[in-house]
Amino acid sequence: EVQLVESGGGLVQPGGSLRLSCAASGFTFSGYWMSWVRQAPGKGLEWVAHIRQEGSEKYYVDSVKGRFTISRDNTKNSLSLQMNSLRAEDTAVYYCARVGRGNSGWSIDYWGQGTLVTVSS
Amino acid sequence: EIVLTQSPGTLSLSPGERATLSCRASQSVISSFLAWYQQKPGQAPRLLIYGASNRATGIPDRFSGSGSGTDFTLTISRLEPEDFAVYYCQQYGTSPPMYTFGQGTKLEIK
Repeated sequence: EVQLVESGGGLVQPGGSLRLSCAASGFTFSGYWMSWVRQAPGKGLEWVAHIRQEGSEKYYVDSVKGRFTISRDNTKNSLSLQMNSLRAEDTAVYYCARVGRGNSGWSIDYWGQGTLVTVSS
Repeated sequence: EIVLTQSPGTLSLSPGERATLSCRASQSVISSFLAWYQQKPGQAPRLLIYGASNRATGIPDRFSGSGSGTDFTLTISRLEPEDFAVYYCQQYGTSPPMYTFGQGTKLEIK
């Protein structure tokens, strides 16, 4: 069974930093692109970043470029999101997600339950 | 950047009725890269449809997707009580490589 379990969320002041982690199990982690998607309270879904299987390619939504860094450790089946210079508008539930392979058309086929990040003074 | 616009914003229907949800793109989308998700309150999204018309694993056949170019549709043939939720369309673009989601359609019980 595919499982994605996020951790690391919490309350942080504007300008602060936070590191999110995602523990993956039930599949060959190193064989998949992985992604972070967020959802502000009461709002829709917003893609944040994704990373290639071996970590050689990383892409970000414009609003987090230069502030967030996605990374992975295939030896530990772990995905991370380092978030710096946090702003109030970064407040959201952050989902760790797996990108499907083959003919899935880059759809996101599995999602974690999410971890809440609140940026407030 | 491609913008996805979903309509209606809210759809009020009764169990047993047919639901038709629309997703319109600001420019042509590769059908293979168009997906639909369902999200219930307090839960993570769930993949329903990929490649515009392919049901994901375990998705009942009352869910179907169609469309091409800039207009895509998610149809639920006969609504079950568990189908009332928010639905999002999503496209993947390759230049630059990024995902875009629609703003969502809330399907509520009438």
